[in-house]
This record gives sequence, structure tokens and C-alpha cells, in this order.
Amino acid sequence: SAVISQKPSRDICQRGTSLTIQCQVDSQVTMMFWYRQQPGQSLTLIATANQGSEATYESGFVIDKFPISRPNLTFSTLTVSNMSPEDSSIYLCSVRSGTGVLAKNIQYFGAGTRLSVL
Amino acid sequence: DAKTTQPPSMDCAEGRAANLPCNHSTISGNEYVYWYRQIHSQGPQYIIHGLKNNETNEMASLIITEDRKSSTLILPHATLRDTAVYYCIVGGGNNDMRFGAGTRLTVKP
Repeated sequence: SAVISQKPSRDICQRGTSLTIQCQVDSQVTMMFWYRQQPGQSLTLIATANQGSEATYESGFVIDKFPISRPNLTFSTLTVSNMSPEDSSIYLCSVRSGTGVLAKNIQYFGAGTRLSVL
Repeated sequence: DAKTTQPPSMDCAEGRAANLPCNHSTISGNEYVYWYRQIHSQGPQYIIHGLKNNETNEMASLIITEDRKSSTLILPHATLRDTAVYYCIVGGGNNDMRFGAGTRLTVKP
């Protein structure tokens, strides 16, 4: 399986500020995703991070609020912009690869970033 | 929207088999059935997946009905460390994973 490192693991932020979460994978992957898990809830897909092009966002999520970068096949960032207390959640990076050492069609998840907004 | 239906919670005695059901009556022919679990405060962990045939690995067994409309995840000898939320997901190919509410399994001593 993939080793996925997310930074920071947790943070406490003030309302109105922005936080950038980093996701680093130990091998090249074709697909990278960002999920949100609100307290006591299941995971919701935010967007697919596309290498070399703009991310594909799910309904209810917009680029201005959650800008995403993916400069190469092993790294992506998610920014939570202009934060409010409603953004307090766990944000998870997930990867899938159709080739290489990772099994096809299996998604692997990072440990997540626990964000609290005051 | 999630394509699966799972009971919200289940209990299992330690050392006994845990059988977690999942209904996926709208599954299409090229979609796989995946199972993940999430132990408190951790990211989801892959358990097993299958298309048509039953599958077994070191963690669990997956039984898929012949019509593929439902499946059962079997943990043969549940331990306290298997207490987690278990998610059944249908998808695969180029499709991302969409999570439903899952089943909260509590293994009791």
C-alpha cells in the first residue's frame, strides 16, 4: 500500500484565515483526491486533484474556497480559505494508481488533518 | 449519493465471527464492491474488494451474492481492535470512492 503523509496533522485556526494542507505520497500515483469528514459524519469528496490542470470539484465545493494544486504525481495541496467555524473538520488526502506498485482501483487514505476553526 | 445500504450499528462478541451486510441493488456490471474501515481518529483503511467471486485475504472474507445485489463482509475472529466504522462502497475503474454512513461495529469482550 501507499505511504501517504499529510501535514499538518492538526491545527487550530482563527476565523478568516487560510490553511494549506500538504499531501505527499511515496510513489507516483495517477489519481489524488481530497475528502472532508465533518464531526460525526461520513467522508464527502471535495475534489479530484488533476496533475497539470485544474481540479475537478464536486457539487457544493468551489475553487475559491478550496483551491487545490497538484504540481506532480506525488504531491498535492488543499487550501481552506477564509475559514469559519463550519470548516472545522478532518480533511483527508486519498490516492489511487492504475500502474506501479499500488494495486489498481484501490484508494488509499492519509491519516487526515484535523482542523478546528475558532 | 451513496449506492449502498448498511445497518447503522452492530455488536459482536470477541472471538466470534462478525458478519456485516451491505445492499447494493443498483450495482452495474463493471462496478466492484469495496470494503473499508475507519478506526477512530484514523484515515479509512482498505480491507478487501471483489467483482463477482468471493474473496478472502488475511483480514477478511467477502461474499457476493450471485445477482451481485448484496454482499457480506466476514471478520472470522473479531477482536476488540476490530471496533470501527465499516464502509461498503461500489465503484472502481475511473470512479472515485463515495462513502455512505457505514456500519459502526462494536466488538465486546
